[in-house]
This record gives sequence, C-alpha cells and structure tokens, in this order.
Amino acid sequence: GESVGLHLPTLSVQEGDNSIINCAYSNSASDYFIWYKQESGKGPQFIIDIRSNMDKRQGQRVTVLLNKTVKHLSLQIAATQPGDSAVYFCAENGGATNKLIFGTGTLLAVQP
Amino acid sequence: GAGVSQSPRYKVAKRGQDVALRCDPISGHVSLFWYQQALGQGPEFLTYFQNEAQLDKSGLPSDRFFAERPEGSVSTLKIQRTQQEDSAVYLCASSLGGRHEQYFGPGTRLTVT
Repeated sequence: GESVGLHLPTLSVQEGDNSIINCAYSNSASDYFIWYKQESGKGPQFIIDIRSNMDKRQGQRVTVLLNKTVKHLSLQIAATQPGDSAVYFCAENGGATNKLIFGTGTLLAVQP
Repeated sequence: GAGVSQSPRYKVAKRGQDVALRCDPISGHVSLFWYQQALGQGPEFLTYFQNEAQLDKSGLPSDRFFAERPEGSVSTLKIQRTQQEDSAVYLCASSLGGRHEQYFGPGTRLTVT
C-alpha cells in the first residue's frame, strides 16, 4: 500500500538501539498530549498520553517527556524493534477542546 | 470486533458524485470524531460529536461536507459533489469523552477521479 511516510522527517536506527522522536507543539493552552503510531494503510494507533500536570510518563518500552517551557514533547522507545517501524505523530488538544491537532509526523526506520 | 470500524475501506468516485462514509465506534464511547488525512501529512480535524449532538464542525472544509450521528452511535460523513481535492483518507475516532485517548478506525481512502 501507499506509504504515509512520503516527505516526512526520517529517523533511522539500528535494531536494539533506543529511539528518540521529538515534537514541537504549537498551543501553550494545550493540556493533553498523545503519541500515535501509524503503519502504512492503517489508522493511527494509540501509544501513550500525558497531561500537562506531568512532565514524564512511562509505558511498556516507551517514555514520553513534556517540557511546557519550550513547548516540546518527546517519545523515547527502548530497545527498538523492526515492528516499531512506522510514522509517529504527536498530537495536542489545543486547550479547551476535545479535538486533536496533529504534528507533521516522523518516519522511524529500524534497520535489522 | 472491539475496535472502531469504517466502511467502505476504499471508495472511488467520479468528480461530482456524492459519497457516504460510515463509522461504527467502540460500544459505549460517547465521543466521535472525523479527521481527514492527506498523503504524507497528519490527520486534520473535521467534526466532533458527543452522543448525537454535533458540538464542533469547525474543520469541515465546505458546505459540501455533512456529518450525522442520529442515534449517538453510528456516524456517517457525507460529501456532496465530490472534487479532486477531496481525495484523502477519512479517519473516524471514538473516545469515552473529555480528555481521554481517541481510538482510530482503519480509515476510508477516497479517490476522486
């Protein structure tokens, strides 16, 4: 199927390495942030979320860091696997709304 | 299944035709969202329902786009007189509401020729 990764920033890592994907968000009023993974031909898959009263949250093999001072979000993936290859999007809620505003996405390519 | 489902998965329409895209949300999810995703870009918000009420339609690009959720469950996105610029993947998402994670369906890829 068609790739959703055309013309996207690309991060290439070796299998087993740690990956860090960065995102700058736009709205200082945003109080809820989500990371999604999207594989070709599929809808975005929820990975992890964080609220603005936190600066770090951990899941299974993933950690999200939030720096509200510089409006920066990052996703860390430990021991990256070939199955992690996909496009990763950060999203914010833009303040007092429930809709999500997505970033441009990063293509993660895991080399075996 | 337990996830969000969408149909059809693929739709080809001739310019000027009307199309209807269906979304079945996760059972019990009160919030339902529609997004449009162009190739190589992130999803962009179209409209949002809480139960049967359409609370935000600020993202609908023109009055050719119409969405409904009459019984607070299944939703339909209708596009009238399709244009080539309407070609995109249309994604539906549902959530428990408020600041809860949104779960996405697989999308409907619309191609207008």
